[in-house]
Formats: sequence, structure tokens, C-alpha cells
Amino acid sequence: NAGVTQTPKFRVLKTGQSMTLLCAQDMNHEYMYWYRQDPGMGLRLIHYSVGEGTTAKGEVPDGYNVSRLKKQNFLLGLESAAPSQTSVYFCASSYKPYQVPNTEAFFGQGTRLTVV
Amino acid sequence: AQSVTQLGSHVSVSEGALVLLRCNYSSSVPPYLFWYVQYPNQGLQLLLKYTSAATLVKGINGFEAEFKKSETSFHLTKPSAHMSDAAEYFCAVISSGGSEKLVFGKGTKLTVNP
Repeated sequence: NAGVTQTPKFRVLKTGQSMTLLCAQDMNHEYMYWYRQDPGMGLRLIHYSVGEGTTAKGEVPDGYNVSRLKKQNFLLGLESAAPSQTSVYFCASSYKPYQVPNTEAFFGQGTRLTVV
Repeated sequence: AQSVTQLGSHVSVSEGALVLLRCNYSSSVPPYLFWYVQYPNQGLQLLLKYTSAATLVKGINGFEAEFKKSETSFHLTKPSAHMSDAAEYFCAVISSGGSEKLVFGKGTKLTVNP
């Protein structure tokens, strides 16, 4: 049971380049989330999905796009990377809250992205 | 919209001393509340969760938290700190009646001194 797997773990981009971060979960979770973590800012929600084919904006969605074509995968895209997007990105997944007792989110190990 | 506020970005205690990390939430409906721990260069691990079954919640590694509706608080405590408790701790909330998204506080970094 792999849980939540993020790919890649590290990446360095030049300003203006694009990339896609992949999050895969094998727990049949409905909800998936993308967060960014910056010093002193905690985890800020970028986008999330409440099921296959759905996406919604979080607190800091600008400059990012997402897709949830398959239930187990949640992709985060940066179309034109900027230095302000240098951060550690975490993906998480969970069952639908308030419907099952085990409603906590499970996290991937993170992707450290540097934009130069 | 729901939110959480963690009081104190850094907390320092001596080994063997009481650990108290503060979290206050804002939610117009009964929330689910969580404490997560993050060790250096790792992902987040669930410590404990409140889902309305009991107001005093026990978690892993000797931590516990008490849900106090009157104070809108969910403070994390541990009677005796251990060196291995040094980490960053995050409080998080999710509530129904809307987007049901999981929102985090800014974190509290715990240092344990020998």
C-alpha cells in the first residue's frame, strides 16, 4: 500500500518554463488537495478536488492549474513558472468528510521546487 | 469560511516539561479538527483528530487535545516533552456546509532543550 505518492521529489525550473507535478493515491479517496508550504506561512491550499472530474480553487490558485481525470491522480501544472512559486508542494487525499469516521488527510512526501 | 489560528510560531520547552501548543478555530458549524506533525524534511503525519465523538482526544506519542466549544479552542498538550518531539505542529480544520476543504494554521515549531 503506497498511500500518496508525489512525482518528482525535487525540481529546478527556469523562469517561464512549465511543468506538471503528479500526485497518485491508492486508497480510493474522493478528495484530493494541493498545498504549498513556505516558511512562516503554514500550508496554503492551492486547488482541491472533491471527486473525479472536479476541481476547485483554494486560497492561492493564481499561476496554477489542476486536473483530476482519474480518481487516483491529481495533477498540478505550472504554465509559466515564476520565482515566487519556489516552494515545497504537498499533495493530500482523504475520504469525503462527514461521511466516514476516518476522515483525516494522508500526505505525500512533498516536492521541492526551485524556480531560478 | 473556516480557519484556524495557532498562537506562537515558536515554542521552546525543556525536556520533561509540559508541552502546550495553542489552536483556536473559527467555524459557523461543528468542525472536524486535526493536529499534524512534520519532522524535518518529511511530510505531515496525523497526531490526532476531533470528530465530535469525545471532547478529549488522545493521539500518538503521548499527545492529547481537548475540544472546547465555548473557547473555540483545540490546544495540544503532552505532559512530558521528549527530545524526539522537536518538530513543527499544524492545526487544521474542516467543516461541513460548504466546500468542506481542509485548512491549516501557520504552524508552531517546537524546540526541546536538554
